[in-house]
Amino acid sequence: SYVLTQPPSVSVAPGETATITCGGNSIGSKSVHWYQQKPGQAPFLVIYYDSDRPSGIPERFSGSNPGNTATLTISRVEAGDEADYYCQVWDSDSGHVVFGGGTKLTVL
Amino acid sequence: EVQLVESGGGLVKPGGSLRLSCAASGFTFSPYSMNWVRQAPGKGLEWVSSISSTGNYIYYADSVKGRFTISRDAENSLYLQMNSLRAEDTAVYYCARDVGISRINWFFDLWGRGTLVTVSS
Repeated sequence: SYVLTQPPSVSVAPGETATITCGGNSIGSKSVHWYQQKPGQAPFLVIYYDSDRPSGIPERFSGSNPGNTATLTISRVEAGDEADYYCQVWDSDSGHVVFGGGTKLTVL
Repeated sequence: EVQLVESGGGLVKPGGSLRLSCAASGFTFSPYSMNWVRQAPGKGLEWVSSISSTGNYIYYADSVKGRFTISRDAENSLYLQMNSLRAEDTAVYYCARDVGISRINWFFDLWGRGTLVTVSS
């Protein structure tokens, strides 16, 4: 089965840039979506189709998927960005939705 | 208000059954594919099942295939019948709407708050 690998944690100071990676076999050939989940809340879509932002998501959130690793980048990080972030793809071979293990973003 | 509200969770013994419901409101339910995603305590997200807008296409994770059944009605409700429950099925179960209308896009733009299922003797 297809596996997505994320770092368990990323820490960044306020105002700096956070980079969260998502690795998978030939991930560049798939569409990657990213969700934010704050404690006690449901997940929330922040990036879709690798780099598109839903309405209402700040431009500080961006995504890329150039080939071997997809990346969620959060610029000018704020305390309110502290959350778990999950990448997600659809694996056409299995017909299954796959989530990464999640990355906890800590704002120092 | 556009929302999804899950219900039906609770404590059940191993081997038991439970039926979850998800009520949609504030939008037209029928054109959207729908999904169940679960999250074990302190763990990450795990996709469980998807159903197309017509109900003709249904998909399951390997971990629940043969034990869980997803279904929907024509109005505003999604269901998950869970049989032969195991301790490892303990999780918050979220109902999630696929972003696409009349086709499956395989990502989710609207989530409910979830309902907790605990499988324990």
